[in-house]
Amino acid sequence: DTAVSQTPKYLVTQMGNDKSIKCEQNLGHDTMYWYKQDSKKFLKIMFSYNNKELIINETVPNRFSPKSPDKAHLNLHINSLELGDSAVYFCASRGGSTDTQYFGPGTRLTVL
Amino acid sequence: DAKTTQPPSMDCAEGRAANLPCNHSTISGNEYVYWYRQIHSQGPQYIIHGLKNNETNEMASLIITEDRKSSTLILPHATLRDTAVYYCIVRVSSSNTGKLIFGQGTTLQVKP
Repeated sequence: DTAVSQTPKYLVTQMGNDKSIKCEQNLGHDTMYWYKQDSKKFLKIMFSYNNKELIINETVPNRFSPKSPDKAHLNLHINSLELGDSAVYFCASRGGSTDTQYFGPGTRLTVL
Repeated sequence: DAKTTQPPSMDCAEGRAANLPCNHSTISGNEYVYWYRQIHSQGPQYIIHGLKNNETNEMASLIITEDRKSSTLILPHATLRDTAVYYCIVRVSSSNTGKLIFGQGTTLQVKP
């Protein structure tokens, strides 16, 4: 079983559209994250939720809105997509004896 | 900004030990050193972490200097599958957010 899963794996869309990326973890962790990796491979945190409560918002534009319906899910909705939003988005959850983060396989978003 | 500095790239011969250095001269007393790696197009993967003692697990060994200002990740017998970007990160293990601040990392190329 995949610990942290994301859907879709690839997402190609036009500028101005609205899209969502879903993330689910089956590890029983309380904390989940969204990271963005741009074309230069720089990996940067965007959001974090702990037990459905937002605890990190790293100056991400309002067009990005995370939603956590329960602690096993953290979805990312993006409005009015722009070219600069093209990137790979990684979901992660945190917990376990090593208090570390487990990452999903990533969603490659391409905005045309 | 990342609080660590790493060489941008390194090569290693297959079967030999790979020693990846990391400087973290401003590390605080309650900050741990974490190592992750990212194999091409995959999500980052936890390798090992430590506070001040040397650590070893099934993947690698972590050597932390006595003053804690630098550390070395050792892959004892590198294989081609160890080719990846390796990230050294410092953070407080028990922090509420637990966010990871990724730097540029070291691209390790294992050659036959």
